[in-house]
Amino acid sequence: AAGVIQSPRHLIKEKRETATLKCYPIPRHDTVYWYQQGPGQDPQFLISFYEKMQSDKGSIPDRFSAQQFSDYHSELNMSSLELGDSALYFCASSLRLGGRLHEQYFGPGTRLTVT
Amino acid sequence: DAKTTQPNSMESNEEEPVHLPCNHSTISGTDYIHWYRQLPSQGPEYVIHGLTSNVNNRMASLAIAEDRKSSTLILHRATLRDAAVYYCIRGDGSSNTGKLIFGQGTTLQVKP
Repeated sequence: AAGVIQSPRHLIKEKRETATLKCYPIPRHDTVYWYQQGPGQDPQFLISFYEKMQSDKGSIPDRFSAQQFSDYHSELNMSSLELGDSALYFCASSLRLGGRLHEQYFGPGTRLTVT
Repeated sequence: DAKTTQPNSMESNEEEPVHLPCNHSTISGTDYIHWYRQLPSQGPEYVIHGLTSNVNNRMASLAIAEDRKSSTLILHRATLRDAAVYYCIRGDGSSNTGKLIFGQGTTLQVKP
């Protein structure tokens, strides 16, 4: 079965650079979530989209932006990178059916290292 | 605010049942209880969820207290591959956006 695809899997950037992370949800899934997991920490919700519209927002810095495109893939854009942005970034997708959201399926993550 | 409380760690022997507890004393009537787990170097993985009744699936069982202030995830026969961090997450029934607020989780060690 198709899973959530994230690219790239690893990314190394310098401080003040920009980065773009991509997420391709499971086919027919209409909802995408982004989570950030720092070293030794638990995943933290950043932002979510449903049918290409932002549906919820968590502790996402103003330097970050995201969107969901017409083909339902999503991109997380990160600017003015800081050392503290080094983390695993997970994308998850789910399906809203009958007004109810079903379980989330997570991708393998993108490991971002800022030097 | 994760709004759930779990033990930091638990140990189990292989092929024995494991009961992972979770307290969610401030849960509201429309909040689902979700369990996810994260194996080393992987993304979180859905395990099970429920609202009021006990639930079973191929991975585990979820026992929910009658007052819904606590629940227990049951792995019927632990294997070495079940070693992971298990997260009990209270769904926000009012917002219905599905975001998961991860708390500390329970690190399960399975001994051969």
